[in-house]
Amino acid sequence: EDKVVQSPLSLVVHEGDTVTLNCSYEVTNFRSLLWYKQEKKAPTFLFMLTSSGIEKKSGRLSSILDKKELFSILNITATQTGDSAIYLCAVERGGGADGLTFGKGTHLIIQP
Amino acid sequence: GAVVSQHPSRVICKSGTSVKIECRSLDFQATTMFWYRQFPKQSLMLMATSNEGSKATYEQGVEKDKFLINHASLTLSTLTVTSAHPEDSSFYICSAEPGQGRRQPQHFGDGTRLSIL
Repeated sequence: EDKVVQSPLSLVVHEGDTVTLNCSYEVTNFRSLLWYKQEKKAPTFLFMLTSSGIEKKSGRLSSILDKKELFSILNITATQTGDSAIYLCAVERGGGADGLTFGKGTHLIIQP
Repeated sequence: GAVVSQHPSRVICKSGTSVKIECRSLDFQATTMFWYRQFPKQSLMLMATSNEGSKATYEQGVEKDKFLINHASLTLSTLTVTSAHPEDSSFYICSAEPGQGRRQPQHFGDGTRLSIL
């Protein structure tokens, strides 16, 4: 059974801090790992990672995948209150159209 | 970018009612759409994969007679919760993957919050 474990489950930091969110996984026939940000409604896409060691960057957010250790991290630098959200990690299996297996998420709160 | 629309956003109804939720891909065609359920403080759990023109594939433990899925066109999938009971109260959310043959992430609708009284 596919498994995604995120840590920490919740995190409270001050504006301007840098945070690192963790995601470990076990999946049969790995295809990709995705990060989403969920505020009140739908998760919004952040990154899709398929290859080890290649950092993906979008503004203050970056993410990297380690396929040997079955692990990914999401970094947010110079955090702002608007970064407060639940960050979800999900894995996708290969071999066809498959739904995603999600972790429980990290609830990030940025205090002013 | 790819947009997925879900309707309604909120339903409150009595026990025993059947509720239909629509999921539309607005600017792309989706042969496959996915339905997830999210209970409070839990993660999204895949319920079923909706395939255009054929039967849906259900995850283990999801009753196919309870959660009817119809994917009649390349832009619309519907989930009907039949004879809903309070334990069916949850956040239901659909997704679709744009780009036939190209690797793109799934995009999610805004979800439907279902409350059964």
